[in-house]
Amino acid sequence: GAVVSQHPSWVICKSGTSVKIECRSLDFQATTMFWYRQFPKQSLMLMATSNEGSKATYEQGVEKDKFLINHASLTLSTLTVTSAHPEDSSFYICSANGPRLSSYNEQFFGPGTRLTVL
Amino acid sequence: GNSVTQMEGPVTLSEEAFLTINCTYTATGYPSLFWYVQYPGEGLQLLLKATKADDKGSNKGFEATYRKETTSFHLEKGSVQVSDSAVYFCARLLQGAQKLVFGQGTRLTINP
Repeated sequence: GAVVSQHPSWVICKSGTSVKIECRSLDFQATTMFWYRQFPKQSLMLMATSNEGSKATYEQGVEKDKFLINHASLTLSTLTVTSAHPEDSSFYICSANGPRLSSYNEQFFGPGTRLTVL
Repeated sequence: GNSVTQMEGPVTLSEEAFLTINCTYTATGYPSLFWYVQYPGEGLQLLLKATKADDKGSNKGFEATYRKETTSFHLEKGSVQVSDSAVYFCARLLQGAQKLVFGQGTRLTINP
């Protein structure tokens, strides 16, 4: 149980275009989803926290107008990178937790999406 | 402040060697502690966890003990395999909080 999927697993796009990445909880209801960014050989940087039905909470320094997050249902959150540029190229990872999965808010991670902006 | 510090990598060992990856944390209260593993090109997988002092998490031959007195959660394995080559992340989660705080990651390479 507690499986999280991401789609696509990799995407290449041209500079200036927008890219949408989906994060789904397959067998549980995810009341909270998290989006991380990981640069090569570095740790995960939390970008934002989203709770179903409300606006995402962005970490300091993350542009909310550039990284649009929607958590419209209990099983789906989307991250849209708007007007992507080469510096947005990165590995994006989502995670999710739910109200009855554990007593300590354990997060379950998706497999990640590699974005390359040309 | 609240942070997690891991030993710097990369770490390169021979197969069947003993492994230790150090992790210390600073936090107010009593966090839950985790080790995650990331294989090349993949997301994170939970390796083991401990939710209170003196708990020992274990999985796939790996162990880590929650030491409140030294604020540490060192990862150990008695005999590593080539398939253990990956990046290992220590993380903590404060009680009642949602955000995981990760260490910088330690890249482990096991040579046959």
